[in-house]
Amino acid sequence: EAGVAQSPRYKIIEKRQSVAFWCNPISGHATLYWYQQILGQGPKLLIQFQNNGVVDDSQLPKDRFSAERLKGVDSTLKIQPAKLEDSAVYLCASSLVSSAYNEQFFGPGTRLTVL
Amino acid sequence: GNSVTQMEGPVTLSEEAFLTINCTYTATGYPSLFWYVQYPGEGLQLLLKATKADDKGSNKGFEATYRKETTSFHLEKGSVQVSDSAVYFCALRGSTGNQFYFGTGTSLTVIP
Repeated sequence: EAGVAQSPRYKIIEKRQSVAFWCNPISGHATLYWYQQILGQGPKLLIQFQNNGVVDDSQLPKDRFSAERLKGVDSTLKIQPAKLEDSAVYLCASSLVSSAYNEQFFGPGTRLTVL
Repeated sequence: GNSVTQMEGPVTLSEEAFLTINCTYTATGYPSLFWYVQYPGEGLQLLLKATKADDKGSNKGFEATYRKETTSFHLEKGSVQVSDSAVYFCALRGSTGNQFYFGTGTSLTVIP
């Protein structure tokens, strides 16, 4: 079974530029999560999708961050414009809604550096 | 609200030493508890889980018991190996909704 795919793996941009990250979850997983992991901290949930609907985006800085999951499969996360404090690893995860344990499977992440 | 507190690192142990990484939680209702591991250069992987009080999760020689009376889920391993060097994250899933809450992570280095 293929895992969660993310691209790019690394991205370096200057502040005020825009950037987009892509995630392809495990086939059949209805729930998709985007996390921000700042160096030395645990992952922080940015947004959670159930199919193509948003379940929770309470911690998403909506003035600069946006995300979509068209057709309930792939998802993109965008930052526009980027700030220095956005430097972090952006993790995508997916899970089967029907799973009793609701295990999340994580992708390798995209490491963003904002200069 | 829901939150997870885990012991700060870094932790350095000699090979074959006993490992304990403390984790306590605050939650409403009956959360599920997880330990994730992040090896250098890789993504997070589920290490073990427990979904109700007194459950013991185990995998690869690691164990953790869901203690509701002490709101704890400490990770233990009797004899660590160099290959166990990684960052370990304690996490909980609330009893309502799917949101996960992660601790800040504990870095473990095992030296030969």
